[in-house]
Amino acid sequence: EAGVAQSPRYKIIEKRQSVAFWCNPISGHATLYWYQQILGQGPKLLIQFQNNGVVDDSQLPKDRFSAERLKGVDSTLKIQPAKLEDSAVYLCASSSMGGPSNEQFFGPGTRLTVL
Amino acid sequence: KQEVTQIPAALSVPEGENLVLNCSFTDSAIYNLQWFRQDPGKGLTSLLLIQSSQREQTSGRLNASLDKSSGRSTLYIAASQPGDSATYLCAVRLARGTSYGKLTFGQGTILTVHP
Repeated sequence: EAGVAQSPRYKIIEKRQSVAFWCNPISGHATLYWYQQILGQGPKLLIQFQNNGVVDDSQLPKDRFSAERLKGVDSTLKIQPAKLEDSAVYLCASSSMGGPSNEQFFGPGTRLTVL
Repeated sequence: KQEVTQIPAALSVPEGENLVLNCSFTDSAIYNLQWFRQDPGKGLTSLLLIQSSQREQTSGRLNASLDKSSGRSTLYIAASQPGDSATYLCAVRLARGTSYGKLTFGQGTILTVHP
């Protein structure tokens, strides 16, 4: 079974530029998550989708971050404009459903460096 | 708000040693607790998941215990090997409140096992 796919794996941009990340979850998984992991910290949930609807985006900086999951499969996370403090690894995860008993499977992440 | 703390932040041991990683959480009303492993440039791999009603889980050389009332969990690694070198993350899911079912991570313990 294929795992969670993410691209690109690495991205270097200058501040105030825009960037987009892509995630393809495990086939059939209804729930998709985006996490931000700053160096030396644990992952922090940014947004959770159930199919193509947003369940939780309480920690998403909506003035610069946006995410969508059209057709309830792939998802993109965008940052516009980027700030230095956005440098982090962005992890995508998926689960069959969104409840606490459903295990989340993580992708390899996209490492973003903002100069 | 649930806070998860991991001690120590980093640990370096010679091959063959038995070691203990610690995780503490502030809200004992958890649904379950999970230990993950993170290798550089890769996503998170689930190691052990302990339900709130359980006291411990074992997988090979790994044993995780849970003391929900005191808000603590330990991950015991027996006969450590260089291949165990990675960052180990503890995460809990709350059983109540606005963060119900969400994963809250600790900052991780960086483990280095040298030959």
